[in-house]
Amino acid sequence: AQSVSQHNHHVILSEAASLELGCNYSYGGTVNLFWYVQYPGQHLQLLLKYFSGDPLVKGIKGFEAEFIKSKFSFNLRKPSVQWSDTAEYFCAVNALTSGTYKYIFGTGTRLKVLA
Amino acid sequence: ETGVTQTPRHLVMGMTNKKSLKCEQHLGHNAMYWYKQSAKKPLELMFVYSLEERVENNSVPSRFSPECPNSSHLFLHLHTLQPEDSALYLCASSPWGDWAEAFFGQGTRLTVV
Repeated sequence: AQSVSQHNHHVILSEAASLELGCNYSYGGTVNLFWYVQYPGQHLQLLLKYFSGDPLVKGIKGFEAEFIKSKFSFNLRKPSVQWSDTAEYFCAVNALTSGTYKYIFGTGTRLKVLA
Repeated sequence: ETGVTQTPRHLVMGMTNKKSLKCEQHLGHNAMYWYKQSAKKPLELMFVYSLEERVENNSVPSRFSPECPNSSHLFLHLHTLQPEDSALYLCASSPWGDWAEAFFGQGTRLTVV
């Protein structure tokens, strides 16, 4: 069955520190990969997505992610975090399974950035 | 504002009650989803509707009953719930396809007492 693993459940960083959040997925076919962010009290919203082409994708607010097919990974990065990046981050896979498109999410990583 | 509206935002219900959650989107999407978000667990996909037809029921107990009367509305009917069903229930919509970005509502915080 499809699954998505996020290894870091809680991350605390100081402002200007670099961020990398891990995401690994389990699926044998073609996948489309997403990172969503949920700011406190707000809805889930798309940060970036990968469908094909350049495996390094850039999203909003300075975030980027790299798809490494051989490692089944799609790690999220930001060179220098800000206090406003405090949020919960979810990695997701959308793939065709048994005739249905399924969005499968990881457990999420709660990021706290200290001012 | 994502274009996906969920009501109510908060709901407290007893184990013998019957209640319904509502989701509405006017984005022209033809796929709608129900997810359950519990602490320390992945977002759990519960149901998927495509063109008003249920295409996925992810082993969800029958005390949860979805309804999709048209492409803009999705309901989740609840009856005889258990305390462990307390969670944030999220509705999402998207165009149908693996390339599609999902748009989420703000969720209904459900507490079963």
